[in-house]
Order: sequence, then structure tokens, then C-alpha cells
Amino acid sequence: QLQLQESGPGLVKPSETLSLTCTVSGGFMSRSDYYLLWIRQPPGEGLEWIGTTYYSGSTHYKPSLKSRVTISVDTSKNQLSLKLSSVTAADTAVYYCAGGGGGGLYWGQGTLVTVSS
Amino acid sequence: QAVVTQEPSVTVSPGVTVTLTCASSTGAVTSGHYPYWFQQKPGQAPTTLIYDTSNKHSWTPARFSGSLLGGKAALTLSGAQPEDEAEYYCLLFYSGTSVFGTGTRVTVL
Repeated sequence: QLQLQESGPGLVKPSETLSLTCTVSGGFMSRSDYYLLWIRQPPGEGLEWIGTTYYSGSTHYKPSLKSRVTISVDTSKNQLSLKLSSVTAADTAVYYCAGGGGGGLYWGQGTLVTVSS
Repeated sequence: QAVVTQEPSVTVSPGVTVTLTCASSTGAVTSGHYPYWFQQKPGQAPTTLIYDTSNKHSWTPARFSGSLLGGKAALTLSGAQPEDEAEYYCLLFYSGTSVFGTGTRVTVL
């Protein structure tokens, strides 16, 4: 069963870059049909899709975040990364990574990132 | 970007069947949107119940089922249980983007 674990700083200053890593259980990223997502959830609010990267190498981003977001994969480390630049308090949220391939979608436990000086 | 709308809240009695829906502002939801359904309980990460319209994970209780209904994606809970009280979200895939639904708070009372 696929397992994902997010990691990164829990506190980021306004205007700086938020950087998170998602470690994916071994073997999954050798599949030829995987896709990996970043999702966030502000406190007390709903889920927001940030972006998806596919095995093919294509990556899609939420249009309103596209200018600030970069999602990348390091298959040698079985890691997915998220970079979100020029953060503000509105970027405070629990950030989740999720992965699918061969059926279904598996979630990490999430990590809270607070943007504050 | 598309807006995906769900019922804000639903209250159901134990043992009763309820259907949640997921509508797209762009038109009818089809299998090409690969509808997903997630359950989220307070303080927990979401878990996937349904993927690709109607497929279940190994952990999805048999009382949950997914379908397309009247141009929407639908999640049917056949015989609600107290442990089904949670927030439910759908997710639709579009060309180049994906959008979560607004969420439905299900209360079993």
C-alpha cells in the first residue's frame, strides 16, 4: 500500500518561499502510471487543489497559484516537492500530498504551515 | 476555472439512505472527470472512498457507492451509521486542472 509523508518547516515568514517535501514509499515511483498531487486546507475551510505531476513529466497547477508554485519530483529519492513563493497569511494551511496509480488515491497525514513574522 | 458545488449539509437518521451530489459549473459531470469522493473527520486527513466514479478502495465500507446521476457525480450512503458523520468532498479532473467540491457536512442523528 502506498504511503506518503510530508515534511518541512511549520513556520514561514511573509514574502518568503514555502518548501515542503513528500516522501513516497519505495517502488511507487517506478510505476508508469503514477500521479502525485499537492493539496492544502486553510484552517476551518475546504480542500484546495494546488497541482498535479504525472509520470509523463507533465505538471498542472491551479491557475491562481501558477505564478508562485513549482512542483517537482526526484525519483532517485522517491520524493515530491512543493515550492510556493511570496507567501502571505492566506497561504497558512495544512498541506497534503497524495498519490495515485493503478487505482485509487492515497493521502499523506498532512503538515501545518503557518505564515507569520 | 470551474466551480464544483456540493450540498452544504445533510442530516440523516441512522439506517437511512442518503445521496450526496457533485455538480460542475461547466456542465454535466461525466466519467471523463474521473470523480473522486473523500471522507474527512475532524482533525484527520481525508481518506479516499471512491475513485473513477464508482471504484472502491479496499477499506471503503460496502454501504458507500459512487455513480453518475442526473448530470452530477453522486455518492450514496446506504444505511448511514454514526461513524459516517464527517465532511465529504468530491474532486473532478478537467483538462489541465482539478477542482475540489465545496464539501458536504453529513450529520447522523
